Amino acid sequence: AQSVTQLDSQVPVFEEAPVELRCNYSSSVSVYLFWYVQYPNQGLQLLLKYLSGSTLVKGINGFEAEFNKSQTSFHLRKPSVHISDTAEYFCAVSDRGTGGFKTIFGAGTRLFVKA
Amino acid sequence: SQTIHQWPATLVQPVGSPLSLECTVEGTSNPNLYWYRQAAGRGLQLLFYSVGIGQISSEVPQNLSASRPQDRQFILSSKKLLLSDSGFYLCAWSVLGNRNTEAFFGQGTRLTVV
Repeated sequence: AQSVTQLDSQVPVFEEAPVELRCNYSSSVSVYLFWYVQYPNQGLQLLLKYLSGSTLVKGINGFEAEFNKSQTSFHLRKPSVHISDTAEYFCAVSDRGTGGFKTIFGAGTRLFVKA
Repeated sequence: SQTIHQWPATLVQPVGSPLSLECTVEGTSNPNLYWYRQAAGRGLQLLFYSVGIGQISSEVPQNLSASRPQDRQFILSSKKLLLSDSGFYLCAWSVLGNRNTEAFFGQGTRLTVV
């Protein structure tokens, strides 16, 4: 069975500093990987996704993530954060074999960007 | 373009009352449809998913049920709400395909059972 572990529940960081949000997954089959962002009382918005090909994926708002198959990780990074990046971030995995019918989410990481 | 509508946005219901949350998708055919619940301080838990009309798969045993009476309509229901049903409910859709495997989410319904 698939599972997703987001290692940090909260990450405080100062504005313009770099940030990394960690995500590890477990799956016995090939997977698709995603990062979503959720602003308060809103739905989720896709930041980026890894389906195949280059292991470094660039997304919206200056975020990027690197797929590491040997470490089963998909960490999210941004070189310089803004106050507006304060939100909750979810890592997700879906089973390529079933066409993505089940997307499993991590518990989320709350990013606080301080001035 | 595709859009997803979810309503109501907020709901306060007494324990023991029934529930009906509705989700509709526009601009696509035969989508996969999902209901997730996000409890306070926790991630998203997949409750139900559907690959077609009348086809519902339940991920966890619970006090809720789902139905798909039309291709682009997904309804989450309960006959008698429990306090533990409180949370943020999200509907989502996706389609099969090499480049379109992400889920697209509605704006959510915040349910408070009192």
